[in-house]
Amino acid sequence: DTGVSQDPRHKITKRGQNVTFRCDPISEHNRLYWYRQTLGQGPEFLTYFQNEAQLEKSRLLSDRFSAERPKGSFSTLEIQRTEQGDSAMYLCASSQAPGDLHFGNGTRLTVT
Amino acid sequence: EDQVTQSPEALRLQEGESSSLNCSYTVSGLRGLFWYRQDPGKGPEFLFTLYSAGEEKEKERLKATLTKKESFLHITAPKPEDSATYLCAVQLTSGTYKYIFGTGTRLKVLA
Repeated sequence: DTGVSQDPRHKITKRGQNVTFRCDPISEHNRLYWYRQTLGQGPEFLTYFQNEAQLEKSRLLSDRFSAERPKGSFSTLEIQRTEQGDSAMYLCASSQAPGDLHFGNGTRLTVT
Repeated sequence: EDQVTQSPEALRLQEGESSSLNCSYTVSGLRGLFWYRQDPGKGPEFLFTLYSAGEEKEKERLKATLTKKESFLHITAPKPEDSATYLCAVQLTSGTYKYIFGTGTRLKVLA
């Protein structure tokens, strides 16, 4: 169990640029979640994959956000035309079944 | 609307001073309640899962309990290394796959 891995750890980008984050879940976990967390707040749900199928997406997620999980392994989260309000920690978590989530250490995005 | 509320927002304790953190929830149906610890700049680390009222779980200085409306995280004789943000989350029985998190309690234990 090598844990959930996220890359990069930090990303600074200019407003209007596109960014992509990667998450490698624990290998035997078929469930994968993306969350966003801002300072002083709890994680906020973005989207959920079961294997390669995206089964749920937050209504708060604008069309600028897209996530994929090809072949049910790693996942990517892309943000197009970034805005300053997108600055946050983006967390990925995985689980094998309904139960506890295993989180990565996140990607901290700063939009200038 | 399903929601989770944690209190207090912040807590300062002297080393050895026991206390409790509260997580109250209003949900359509509870599948499970989870406690996490989060250190600055890191992802949440799993602590406990509780599934039914009356259930208790313990780990070192921490004990989590669950009722039909709330959960408590009891910290006995805390040490400075227990300083962190403690988050609770709920998983619902139907209608969504997401886990709903509270805003957390920031705990500082002073030596």
